[in-house]
Amino acid sequence: ELKVEQNPLFLSMQEGKNYTIYCNYSTTSDRLYWYRQDPGKSLESLFVLLSNGAVKQEGRLMASLDTKARLSTLHITAAVHDLSATYFCAVEFGNEKLTFGTGTRLTIIP
Amino acid sequence: DAGITQSPRHKVTETGTPVTLRCHQTENHRYMYWYRQDPGHGLRLIHYSYGVKDTDKGEVSDGYSVSRSKTEDFLLTLESATSSQTSVYFCAIRGAGRQAFFGQGTRLTVV
Repeated sequence: ELKVEQNPLFLSMQEGKNYTIYCNYSTTSDRLYWYRQDPGKSLESLFVLLSNGAVKQEGRLMASLDTKARLSTLHITAAVHDLSATYFCAVEFGNEKLTFGTGTRLTIIP
Repeated sequence: DAGITQSPRHKVTETGTPVTLRCHQTENHRYMYWYRQDPGHGLRLIHYSYGVKDTDKGEVSDGYSVSRSKTEDFLLTLESATSSQTSVYFCAIRGAGRQAFFGQGTRLTVV
């Protein structure tokens, strides 16, 4: 069974702190995607990771992919309130299907 | 704007009635997807399409059917709506090997 697991599911952190969200998946894949969702809104694409060792950065967010460990991380540096949202990873498993993790709800506290 | 439109945006329907949700794209992408989003489950794939009249099931396809008679339109039908199908439904489009772009979602309530 294909599984994509994120942890933590909920994360409350103070502004200015650093933290990491983890995405583990159960079957070999070399394509992983990160999305952001604000309450009541659609999903916004953040990063596309297409190979082992891929690292992408945008502002205070950095994503990486280790296909051997079947692990991706989304690192938040010096968090600010605007980063409060739910973050999803999605893994592509053959036939162009994307399987999503359950999401990490991030709350940044001033 | 990824050129993807879902309709309706909100719908309330009664148990046992048929419901059709529409996803329309202007990007000519080959792949189109229907997901449902429920608390604690993230997004789960219902059905997807890899071309006109080419569709396949996802992980939660029971009670749903789809059709794609034109590249730009992907329809999701609930043949006989049940309360367990109350959810937010998202359509997504995607070129081969590329990131997916999502529609604004349809909030469906089955009473």
